[in-house]
Amino acid sequence: SQKIEQNSEALNIQEGKTATLTCNYTNYSPAYLQWYRQDPGRGPVFLLLIRENEKEKRKERLKVTFDTTLKQSLFHITASQPADSATYLCALARSQAGTALIFGKGTTLSVSS
Amino acid sequence: NAGVTQTPKFRVLKTGQSMTLLCAQDMNHEYMYWYRQDPGMGLRLIHYSVGEGTTAKGEVPDGYNVSRLKKQNFLLGLESAAPSQTSVYFCASSLRSGGLGTEAFFGQGTRLTVV
Repeated sequence: SQKIEQNSEALNIQEGKTATLTCNYTNYSPAYLQWYRQDPGRGPVFLLLIRENEKEKRKERLKVTFDTTLKQSLFHITASQPADSATYLCALARSQAGTALIFGKGTTLSVSS
Repeated sequence: NAGVTQTPKFRVLKTGQSMTLLCAQDMNHEYMYWYRQDPGMGLRLIHYSVGEGTTAKGEVPDGYNVSRLKKQNFLLGLESAAPSQTSVYFCASSLRSGGLGTEAFFGQGTRLTVV
């Protein structure tokens, strides 16, 4: 079955630095991969989607890369701010049909000022 | 625009009791999902539906049943609650993507405690 691993449970960085989060997957070749943000007591919120034929996707201070050879996605937040502190989840489709998402356990990012 | 609404937000059940969690979406989405989230386990898919009248099992379906009688509603039932079902439950919905992927919209969650 598919397996998703987010390497770090927690990441602490200083304001202004770039945060880099890693998502690895096995036993699967997904057509796309997604990243979500989750704040305490709230549901996840979609951030970015990257497809297998895309190497990189950007949105404001966010950047996602997708390396299908390494089976890895990197999620970057540049010029990080304390407001970026949250848990970040990567997700991919449960099957080639893409009918449901499975999630990694998440990385909790803390940005200190 | 409400998005995805879950009812109730909190509930305490005694072991053996039954209950139904309601999820409603107003975005005309074809797909709907139920997840549970536990510390250290992340979000795990319980059941999902790709359209009205159809449901399918996810990763952890045992002890739960679902129904999708109307496109906008997805119900999650616990017939005989167990302490192991203490969790935060999230409902989500998305458009049919044809394998290309679309974002999922999540509700605010239901915190269920089984004593």
